[in-house]
Amino acid sequence: EVQLVESGGGLVQPGGSLRLSCAASGFTFRSYWMSWVRQAPGKGLEWVANIKLDGTEKFYVDSVKGRFTISRDNAKNSLYLQMNSLRAEDTAVYFCARGCSPPCSPWFDFDYWGQGTLVTVSS
Amino acid sequence: DIQMTQSPSSLSASVGDRVTITCRASQDINHYLAWFQQKPGKAPKSLIYAASSLQSGVPSKFSGSGSGTDFTLTISSLQPEDFATYYCQQYISYPRSFGQGTKLEIK
Repeated sequence: EVQLVESGGGLVQPGGSLRLSCAASGFTFRSYWMSWVRQAPGKGLEWVANIKLDGTEKFYVDSVKGRFTISRDNAKNSLYLQMNSLRAEDTAVYFCARGCSPPCSPWFDFDYWGQGTLVTVSS
Repeated sequence: DIQMTQSPSSLSASVGDRVTITCRASQDINHYLAWFQQKPGKAPKSLIYAASSLQSGVPSKFSGSGSGTDFTLTISSLQPEDFATYYCQQYISYPRSFGQGTKLEIK
């Protein structure tokens, strides 16, 4: 059974840092693209970042470029999101999601999702 | 950046009804369109990808269609568990983007 379990969320002051983790199990983690998607309280879904199987390609939404870093450790079956210079508008539930295992035809970005971890940026 | 617009933003329907939600992209996205269902306090669930392909385990009451800029999600024979918020998402280019969501409520 595919499982994605996020951790690392919490309350942090503006300008602070936080590192989110996503522990994956039930599939060959190193063979899949992985993503982070967030949802501000009462709002819709927003894609944050994704990362290729081997970590050689990473993509970010403009609002987090230069502040957030997505990474993965395939030996530990884990996905990470290092969040620096946090702002109030980063307050959200952060979901990790599994993507395609290439070659995929047709492609998709997300099939399985974790339950999310809440990040609150406030003084 | 590609903007995704869903209509309606909310929809009331009865158990047993068939409903259709529309998603429009601000530019041609071919068939690179996915649909998700989300219930309050829960993670999204992936329903459809490539505009019309069902994710594994998703019942055939859900169907998607469209290509280019206009897409639809149809849910037939609504059951109580289908009342949720639905999102579309384009993945032809970065940044990926979602529609604002359509809240399907019981009439």
